[in-house]
Amino acid sequence: QRVTQPEKLLSVFKGAPVELKCNYSYSGSPELFWYVQYSRQRLQLLLRHISRESIKGFTADLNKGETSFHLKKPFAQEEDSAMYYCALKDYGGSQGNLIFGKGTKLSVKP
Amino acid sequence: EADIYQTPRYLVIGTGKKITLECSQTMGHDKMYWYQQDPGMELHLIHYSYGVNSTEKGDLSSESTVSRIRTEHFPLTLESARPSHTSQYLCASKKGSVEKLFFGSGTQLSVL
Repeated sequence: QRVTQPEKLLSVFKGAPVELKCNYSYSGSPELFWYVQYSRQRLQLLLRHISRESIKGFTADLNKGETSFHLKKPFAQEEDSAMYYCALKDYGGSQGNLIFGKGTKLSVKP
Repeated sequence: EADIYQTPRYLVIGTGKKITLECSQTMGHDKMYWYQQDPGMELHLIHYSYGVNSTEKGDLSSESTVSRIRTEHFPLTLESARPSHTSQYLCASKKGSVEKLFFGSGTQLSVL
């Protein structure tokens, strides 16, 4: 099992659409999450695919065919600037632990 | 207030010293975790515990050890610190099968 976030840094202007890419490798039905870390704050859960929710305007759709779980927002805000981590539930040795990607730093410019 | 606490926030020590990184949570969580993260890299699980007197090694081999004598306390110890141990250490916890991890603020360890 592996999680790949191909972009280390993504820079967009305020009001522009944003898509943070996440690809995973797992042959079964995955459980996927997005965690976010704002400046000087702790890492926290943003959303999980099983809830099919929209948090702070962000959505993420699981695409099993492309093994992707990209995070999207139609209109980026400056307060969205943060570090975003995609995570996959580990069904292997550590019984439900999360496997994290390397993260993407989102910078929203005014 | 229900929270997860990590101390110290920053630690700079010399090679060969014994150190303990503290992690405590007042959230009533049974599962606790230690992750290690180098700059620009992913979080790696180094230890986890599903309850008192239960500890397991994670996916990343680590020379550190942990203990879980009390539900709320999950300290991590390095018997003899080396420069290769320089990293950020994050503690996390969760309740049962609920798939939401709560993280502490982390300890940034620098071994000179």
